[in-house]
Amino acid sequence: DQQVKQNSPSLSVQEGRISILNCDYTNSMFDYFLWYKKYPAEGPTFLISISSIKDKNEDGRFTVFLNKSAKHLSLHIVPSQPGDSAVYFCAASGGSEKLVFGKGTKLTVNP
Amino acid sequence: DVKVTQSSRYLVKRTGEKVFLECVQDMDHENMFWYRQDPGLGLRLIYFSYDVKMKEKGDIPEGYSVSREKKERFSLILESASTNQTSMYLCASSFGFSGTNTQYFGPGTRLTVL
Repeated sequence: DQQVKQNSPSLSVQEGRISILNCDYTNSMFDYFLWYKKYPAEGPTFLISISSIKDKNEDGRFTVFLNKSAKHLSLHIVPSQPGDSAVYFCAASGGSEKLVFGKGTKLTVNP
Repeated sequence: DVKVTQSSRYLVKRTGEKVFLECVQDMDHENMFWYRQDPGLGLRLIYFSYDVKMKEKGDIPEGYSVSREKKERFSLILESASTNQTSMYLCASSFGFSGTNTQYFGPGTRLTVL
């Protein structure tokens, strides 16, 4: 049973436009959410996070939105750049040291 | 900056060999984790450790064991490598339970078992 779902395996966006990556979760105990970015043959790097007490967190071009009632979060990248092309993983935690990861969305930003 | 290092970036082993993957972190983190990443399956937790000599099974522990003799070092052992263990192995670390649980990853080891 997948507790964290990224339903879009891939997304293609033009440079300069907005990229929106989505993530749904089922476990209402999750209270902390993270996004990681992964280039091929490298480890994931932490991008941005949000606590369940907030509904929005911004860091430069990256904004994460959390809708607790819908159990949905999204990552917005504005403006998108070719260097943003990578696999993005959504992760969640609640009540333990472990993270539960989604299967990832491959973002391609076309010049 | 948090630094997590892994002993090898690429490794090729034969079926039946014993394989050791090592991970070292320099941030005095309590927690350390081993994942494998396979296309279409995301990151799956193999084992994690929340203290020296302490370990817990993750979602896919079969065929693996771990060792944590020092706080900064966490080893993953494949007792008898098999071809279905060909994968990207990722180590991560994090502070003890603090409500944020941000994990920091190493560069990964691409293991091929022939």
